[in-house]
Amino acid sequence: DAKTTQPPSMDCAEGRAANLPCNHSTISGNEYVYWYRQIHSQGPQYIIHGLKNNETNEMASLIITEDRKSSTLILPHATLRDTAVYYCIVSYLTGTASKLTFGTGTRLQVTL
Amino acid sequence: DVKVTQSSRYLVKRTGEKVFLECVQDMDHENMFWYRQDPGLGLRLIYFSYDVKMKEKGDIPEGYSVSREKKERFSLILESASTNQTSMYLCASSSSGTGDYEQYFGPGTRLTVT
Repeated sequence: DAKTTQPPSMDCAEGRAANLPCNHSTISGNEYVYWYRQIHSQGPQYIIHGLKNNETNEMASLIITEDRKSSTLILPHATLRDTAVYYCIVSYLTGTASKLTFGTGTRLQVTL
Repeated sequence: DVKVTQSSRYLVKRTGEKVFLECVQDMDHENMFWYRQDPGLGLRLIYFSYDVKMKEKGDIPEGYSVSREKKERFSLILESASTNQTSMYLCASSSSGTGDYEQYFGPGTRLTVT
């Protein structure tokens, strides 16, 4: 069963904000939202995660709706190097070996 | 920087061969994972280990086994390779505790079974 739903692809102009949506309508109270990305020919890379509050780090911002049924990853000033597949994942944080289920993600193409 | 290395970037094996894929991490992480990635299916977890000599099945363990004799090394074994095991194999590691959400991935091994 898919826990998250993401659009298969999106385009963004370089320098503009890229807003990547994710639906997770069946999320449980203790489940976190994680975002990873995979640049071509590399392994996935962690970006950000959150539970209820909006989060920001040096790479991106994560906006989670109040009902927690959806979220948006924001890359504030997209560059060509941000072209990648972005994965939205919902999972418990176990403190031992949290399992992450990667779906097929959103392929973001940043263009000049 | 965390470094996860995999023994080969590309590997070609014949049907029926025993195949070993090796993964080494240098950050003293407790947890290690093996995934395979196929077009249209995303990454799927094969096995993971949360300690030396400990292992647990992931979502698609059939046809695979693993070995973790040392903390830094996690091996994926294909006992008798088949063509449907042609795939990209990715290894990852993470620390236990508050940071266990962040998995660090290796570059992957593209295995072709002919």
